[in-house]
Amino acid sequence: DAGVIQSPRHEVTEMGQEVTLRCKPISGHNSLFWYRQTMMRGLELLIYFNNNVPIDDSGMPEDRFSAKMPNASFSTLKIQPSEPRDSAVYFCASRSGTGVSPLHFGNGTRLTVT
Amino acid sequence: QQQVKQSPQSLIVQKGGISIINCAYENTAFDYFPWYQQFPGKGPALLIAIRPDVSEKKEGRFTISFNKSAKQFSLHIMDSQPGDSATYFCAAGYSTLTFGKGTMLLVSP
Repeated sequence: DAGVIQSPRHEVTEMGQEVTLRCKPISGHNSLFWYRQTMMRGLELLIYFNNNVPIDDSGMPEDRFSAKMPNASFSTLKIQPSEPRDSAVYFCASRSGTGVSPLHFGNGTRLTVT
Repeated sequence: QQQVKQSPQSLIVQKGGISIINCAYENTAFDYFPWYQQFPGKGPALLIAIRPDVSEKKEGRFTISFNKSAKQFSLHIMDSQPGDSATYFCAAGYSTLTFGKGTMLLVSP
């Protein structure tokens, strides 16, 4: 059973560059979540999709952040332009069913913006 | 997002001891309270979860105690082992989860 797959595992980029993070959820899961983890703020929900439709993007920090889910097996989180304060670990998670079902997290993408 | 407050930030327990981590939430509409365990370089993984209709849930060495009136819940790890050393997150929500800031647990041999 393949879990949630994220790529790349590590990304180092310079301020001002575009960054694209990718996620493949578990097959059959109908909800997908993007979280950001930092020491200061912990795990923050950025956006979540249900059946490929964005439901709540209130956690997206700025217009520099955008997320898409073109189909049930793929999602991207894009930051353009990137800034040093975007440095964090970004997690994708997927879930089958309702809010009381477990979230399955990928192993994250560690983003460093210099 | 509604807050979930978690304490302590870090905890050191001797092997065989009891680890206790506490969380408090604000939103009375929350109806799902899971705990996640995270090892370095990995994503969080579900450890145990509880719904508000019960006051306690036990799975092996892990127990959640839930106090609905106080809006608090806690994780107890009995007979703590070095392999339990990890970061633990409480969470609360209904359609989405709000996470606490995490507790780094170190179980000394």
